[in-house]
Amino acid sequence: DIQMTQSPSLLSASVGDRVTINCKASQNINKYLNWYQQKLGEAPKLLIYNTNNLQTGIPSRFSGSGSGTDYTLTISSLQPEDFGTYFCFQHNSWPTFGAGTKLELK
Amino acid sequence: EVQLVESGGGLVQPGRSLKLSCAASGFTFSNYGMHWIRQAPTKGLEWVASISPSGGSTYYRDSVKGRFTISRDNAKSTLYLQMDSLRSEDTATYYCATDLTTRFDYWGQGVMVTVSS
Repeated sequence: DIQMTQSPSLLSASVGDRVTINCKASQNINKYLNWYQQKLGEAPKLLIYNTNNLQTGIPSRFSGSGSGTDYTLTISSLQPEDFGTYFCFQHNSWPTFGAGTKLELK
Repeated sequence: EVQLVESGGGLVQPGRSLKLSCAASGFTFSNYGMHWIRQAPTKGLEWVASISPSGGSTYYRDSVKGRFTISRDNAKSTLYLQMDSLRSEDTATYYCATDLTTRFDYWGQGVMVTVSS
């Protein structure tokens, strides 16, 4: 199985900050990389699919980039509703998720 | 509006069985692959099983092969997960999900399964 190493595991930031979350795959995943946001007690919500495609209804402050084994989620200006846990996910082969990044208020 | 609503969870003893359901609406169910994904308490997400649109192909993670069975009833727009020989490590919130645009783009709200004596 492809292993997804996500960093950092915990990120403290303030409203208005620019933040980045990274995900590294154990092998090339050909840009089949999605990003999800999960809030406590809720299902994950798709933000970005196939590296850099914004899901319908997701604000443009979210963006994704990367190729090969290395991928990044960027939030350009943090809003209060953005705090929660973020997961990366690869679907190039048998699906696997990153361990998550908890984004908390500094 | 796409909706996926899971049901059937609960507390069950080790070795016993449980069947989860996922009722779908807002899209043509029979055209899309469906999946079960789980999340153990305070843990990450783990893919469990998938089924093709017709139901003719099924896929499982190794740890549930031979114990779990994914199935679907396209006439009822419902996905199922039959879970037999349950273990404590199967304790998790189980989500159903589909692939309308990309893999796992829509999820249900989840249903809790607790395996404990």
